[in-house]
Amino acid sequence: DTAVSQTPKYLVTQMGNDKSIKCEQNLGHDTMYWYKQDSKKFLKIMFSYNNKELIINETVPNRFSPKSPDKAHLNLHINSLELGDSAVYFCASSLAGTSGKDTQYFGPGTRLTVL
Amino acid sequence: GNSVTQMEGPVTLSEEAFLTINCTYTATGYPSLFWYVQYPGEGLQLLLKATKADDKGSNKGFEATYRKETTSFHLEKGSVQVSDSAVYFCALPSGGGNKLTFGTGTQLKVEL
Repeated sequence: DTAVSQTPKYLVTQMGNDKSIKCEQNLGHDTMYWYKQDSKKFLKIMFSYNNKELIINETVPNRFSPKSPDKAHLNLHINSLELGDSAVYFCASSLAGTSGKDTQYFGPGTRLTVL
Repeated sequence: GNSVTQMEGPVTLSEEAFLTINCTYTATGYPSLFWYVQYPGEGLQLLLKATKADDKGSNKGFEATYRKETTSFHLEKGSVQVSDSAVYFCALPSGGGNKLTFGTGTQLKVEL
């Protein structure tokens, strides 16, 4: 069974379009994350949700809107796509602890290409 | 806030060579330290971690020791294999909770 899954794996779209990426985890975790990885492999957190509540919202354009319908799902909707949004987007999940010791489990990534 | 600095790659080694990937950190207190690995075309996965100073994390022949004197968490492996070719990320918590800050990643290529 896949622990953290994302769909789609590849997404190619035109500038100005709106698209969504879906993420699901079956680990029973309370906390989920979205990361963006650029072409140089630099990884930066975008958002984090704990039990459907937004707890981390980094400096991300408001064209990006996360939505968590339940604690097992965290979707990412992107409006008015721009060339600079091209990247690999990773979903991750972890226990909800505040110790900073918990392992994060990553999905396989969604490669977004904006033309 | 907390941050990590890791050596730039790419690092190219022959099979069975010794590997060191340097990672140093700046932090308040003694946070947990992590090494994650990203194999080609995949997401990141935890390789090893150390949750307190002087701890050694180990997995799959890789080791890293949490050294507070030198604020380092260098990744080592005695004999690399072609299958170890991947990007390696050092990371630590920052900003509270389980938020992680990652290093820039070090690409390792192991050749026959």
